[in-house]
Amino acid sequence: EDQVTQSPEALRLQEGESSSLNCSYTVSGLRGLFWYRQDPGKGPEFLFTLYSAGEEKEKERLKATLTKKESFLHITAPKPEDSATYLCAGEGGTSYGKLTFGQGTILTVHP
Amino acid sequence: GAGVSQSPRYKVAKRGQDVALRCDPISGHVSLFWYQQALGQGPEFLTYFQNEAQLDKSGLPSDRFFAERPEGSVSTLKIQRTQQEDSAVYLCASSLLSYEQYFGPGTRLTVT
Repeated sequence: EDQVTQSPEALRLQEGESSSLNCSYTVSGLRGLFWYRQDPGKGPEFLFTLYSAGEEKEKERLKATLTKKESFLHITAPKPEDSATYLCAGEGGTSYGKLTFGQGTILTVHP
Repeated sequence: GAGVSQSPRYKVAKRGQDVALRCDPISGHVSLFWYQQALGQGPEFLTYFQNEAQLDKSGLPSDRFFAERPEGSVSTLKIQRTQQEDSAVYLCASSLLSYEQYFGPGTRLTVT
């Protein structure tokens, strides 16, 4: 069974304090690893798709990386507006399109 | 352009009532997905349409759950005889193919 696990469950940072979120996955025949941001009361907002080990993508203060077993979301010099829940999801195997999500990491950035 | 829209945003149902949740995908998006998100958890897959064809319904938790997309655009998720355990946020997503799914705001269902 496909499984995605995120750690930590919650992370508190001071503004400017860089850190990383982890996403470990067991998804057979992974075709894509996705990162989303979710604000309270809203649907997930697409951030990145990674397709193969070694791939990296960046957007503003965020950088996502992928290995054969895990993905990291690096946050450089975060700001309070980066506070949100970050979700990762894998898609693979015979279930085309079906995303298997982790439980999310709740990030709080204090000014 | 306009994103994915869902209605109603909030729904309160008494146990045993039937409910219908609507999803309007991004125009031209072929694929449409429904997910269920419990409080504090990640979304869980329910079902997947490509145009009007329901290609995967493996995540529907019981035969009380039914989804349709008759004209390949708007989709409706119907829950019959609602139970308390059905309380959750129901998310709809659409995509051009199977990648980069774009989510709507969700419908929060509370069963009392």
